Amino acid sequence: AQTIHQWPVAEIKAVGSPLSLGCTIKGKSSPNLYWYWQATGGTLQQLFYSITVGQVESVVQLNLSASRPKDDQFILSTEKLLLSHSGFYLCAWSLTGGEQYFGPGTRLTVL
Amino acid sequence: GDSVTQTEGQVALSEEDFLTIHCNYSASGYPALFWYVQYPGEGPQFLFRASRDKEKGSSRGFEATYDKGTTSFHLRKASVQESDSAVYYCALGNTNTGKLTFGDGTVLTVKP
Repeated sequence: AQTIHQWPVAEIKAVGSPLSLGCTIKGKSSPNLYWYWQATGGTLQQLFYSITVGQVESVVQLNLSASRPKDDQFILSTEKLLLSHSGFYLCAWSLTGGEQYFGPGTRLTVL
Repeated sequence: GDSVTQTEGQVALSEEDFLTIHCNYSASGYPALFWYVQYPGEGPQFLFRASRDKEKGSSRGFEATYDKGTTSFHLRKASVQESDSAVYYCALGNTNTGKLTFGDGTVLTVKP
């Protein structure tokens, strides 16, 4: 069975500091991968998607970047955090654009 | 661009009540439509989808029918339970790109 793991579970970071969030998918070969952001009490906003290793498309510009270094790994990062980056970050996978399955998320607080 | 509108921001019911959450969409062609449920502190869970006019999706007692004429995909459940309390999201999908556009969500609270 497929599993999706996100790390870390939660982070508290200072404004201006760098950030790296990770996501791994096990049990699925060559899935489509996605990053989402959710403000507290808000809806989900898709940030990036990737259909293959090394290829990432940006959906929304939030001073973040994403990379897919391996088939089963998706990384979200920035060199300089803003207060507005606080929220819940979710990784998701799908097969060929079908329904998406979400990970447990990472709670980010920027102070 | 594509958009999804959920009319109800919050719904409060008692156990065994009938549930309707309204979802209307705006998109060209025949987008895929989805319902997700999110419990506090967790990622959203896929409930079901529909991809064609008049297709019904269902799961866990919830159901919705794709209606292209009224551009709607309303969520219904005949008898809610306290454990159904959660946030429900309607979403519209482009199956070519995998882009999902979510509605604002509906907070369902069910009292015992």
